[in-house]
Amino acid sequence: GAVVSQHPSWVICKSGTSVKIECRSLDFQATTMFWYRQFPKQSLMLMATSNEGSKATYEQGVEKDKFLINHASLTLSTLTVTSAHPEDSSFYICSAHRRQDAYSNQPQHFGDGTRLSIL
Amino acid sequence: AQSVAQPEDQVNVAEGNPLTVKCTYSVSGNPYLFWYVQYPNRGLQFLLKYITGDNLVKGSYGFEAEFNKSQTSFHLKKPSALVSDSALYFCAVRDAGNYQLIWGAGTKLIIKP
Repeated sequence: GAVVSQHPSWVICKSGTSVKIECRSLDFQATTMFWYRQFPKQSLMLMATSNEGSKATYEQGVEKDKFLINHASLTLSTLTVTSAHPEDSSFYICSAHRRQDAYSNQPQHFGDGTRLSIL
Repeated sequence: AQSVAQPEDQVNVAEGNPLTVKCTYSVSGNPYLFWYVQYPNRGLQFLLKYITGDNLVKGSYGFEAEFNKSQTSFHLKKPSALVSDSALYFCAVRDAGNYQLIWGAGTKLIIKP
């Protein structure tokens, strides 16, 4: 149980394009989802925390207008990279907390990530 | 401020030998510690956690970790390494104020046949 699906797994697009990445919890309700960015050979950088039905909380230095996050249901959060440029190329990973695990010490459940390449 | 340190960028171990991946932490209050593994082009998989109780925690795939409060360490161990254990390993500590995770830089584990 506790499967998180992330789509697409790989996307290549031209500079200026907006790209939407989906994160779905397949067999549980996720009140909270996290969006991370990972550069090659580096650790995860938390971009934002997405709470169902409310605005996402962005980490310092992350542009809200650049990285639009929507968490419209308990099983789906989306990250849209607007007007993407080559410097936005990265590996984006989402994770989710089950409703009953919120505020507890249960592990987050991760998607398989999305490799974004902007030409 | 809470932090996690993984002092080794890479660890090389021969197959069949024991392995250790080091992690030290700095927290205010009780530490909630986690180990995750990442295979190439994949998300992270949870291995094990320490919340309270026994200092030796057993997790997935034969891994275990030892919590040492005096040394503020939470090293990941496995008695006999497999080639398939080769991956990137992350140590993390939960932020005391919320349920976000503070991540170490990661350690690349290479198991040679």
